[in-house]
Amino acid sequence: QVQLVQSGAELRKPGASVKVSCKASGYAFTSYYIHWVRQAPGQGLEWMGIINPASGTTNYAQKFQGRVTMTRDTSTSTFSMELSRLRSEDTAVYYCARGYDTFDIWGQGTMVTVSA
Amino acid sequence: QTVMTQEPSLTVSPGGTATLTCASSTGAVTSGYYPNWFQQKPGQAPRALIYITDNKHPWTPARFSGSLLGGKAVLTLSDVQPEDEADYYCLLYSGGAWVFGGGTKLTVL
Repeated sequence: QVQLVQSGAELRKPGASVKVSCKASGYAFTSYYIHWVRQAPGQGLEWMGIINPASGTTNYAQKFQGRVTMTRDTSTSTFSMELSRLRSEDTAVYYCARGYDTFDIWGQGTMVTVSA
Repeated sequence: QTVMTQEPSLTVSPGGTATLTCASSTGAVTSGYYPNWFQQKPGQAPRALIYITDNKHPWTPARFSGSLLGGKAVLTLSDVQPEDEADYYCLLYSGGAWVFGGGTKLTVL
């Protein structure tokens, strides 16, 4: 079946970087864009950016430009999102979601905790 | 930065109808904003309900519907069930970016 499986929880210190992965299966990898969305504890959803799996072209939310890098590996059908210069406010669950304008399938989420 | 506004909370009785709205700070919401709606229950990932204004996913219950009314995107839940208690988020495309609304907490009481 179609699914996105994300990597496990991460703990980082302020100033460090984190890389979250999202492995796609059950569909044609290059046919669907992938978004990254995050949700801080008790807060709403926040869009971070999108990647075109065929070309690797990205579009990042202005808030994250300069700190986020989204990539894909077509050989392993895996997407990655790296966030650098972490601060406590980056503590959140990070999700990948499929589809340019449908967001139909979501990963299970990856908890990233930033704490000294 | 575009802001999408939703009702913070709504309470509805079982069997009733709930109407959730999503407004944009830039003006009237149109189909060009590609409105999406999501349901999220505690501890779970969001679940897609509606895309591009009024299109349902295969798993979307028939009692959920999307529309545009009065310059807003609207999610209507008919014959509300206890299991519909959840947070609901709208998502709009504006200015080259996707923006989520703040969410509506729907209580079924």
